[in-house]
Amino acid sequence: ETGVTQTPRHLVMGMTNKKSLKCEQHLGHNAMYWYKQSAKKPLELMFVYNFKEQTENNSVPSRFSPECPNSSHLFLHLHTLQPEDSALYLCASSQGDPQGTEAFFGQGTRLTVV
Amino acid sequence: AQKVTQAQTEISVVEKEDVTLDCVYETRDTTYYLFWYKQPPSGELVFLIRRNSFDEQNEISGRYSWNFQKSTSSFNFTITASQVVDSAVYFCALSRVNYGQNFVFGPGTRLSVLP
Repeated sequence: ETGVTQTPRHLVMGMTNKKSLKCEQHLGHNAMYWYKQSAKKPLELMFVYNFKEQTENNSVPSRFSPECPNSSHLFLHLHTLQPEDSALYLCASSQGDPQGTEAFFGQGTRLTVV
Repeated sequence: AQKVTQAQTEISVVEKEDVTLDCVYETRDTTYYLFWYKQPPSGELVFLIRRNSFDEQNEISGRYSWNFQKSTSSFNFTITASQVVDSAVYFCALSRVNYGQNFVFGPGTRLSVLP
């Protein structure tokens, strides 16, 4: 069983819908991440939270809104998405600064925008 | 700026062959970490190894081995006697330390091991 759990695993939504992706980690980590993986593109870092504070926002459109209520949970709120937002969204966690360790990933949410 | 390059987009080998996946990185930091991850068809990235920039010792774990050469900014990954289960996309990654641990991933190499 993975230490990072993402729900749902698959999501189909219309462009006018609002939905949320959820990520939960049971590893006691302090940093959590959202990545986007599109076909034929490298993994794109979207957001980073260290100790519940957002430390990175990689020029992500405002239709993606992250929320980190505590160090174990991370959400990605979605609204008025575009078809090009269809991708695999991966959540990860790591020990965070200053130690620096490997990140552990969830299985991802496969999002399709229709 | 940090960057990871994996020049091999796709590699196909026949089972039991050895295969090396290349990784070249760029960073101005003196302290950093390097990683390899495996992404099977299920989608989850599986951590394989972490290497600290101060530790240039090569590492072997079963059929896997890693060659870290700071002089050429390379961190190559070799699978010996490949198996069909090794078929996956492999990612090399770089992270900063003490400046916000953001992981920068290479584009990945898709490895197909044919029976």
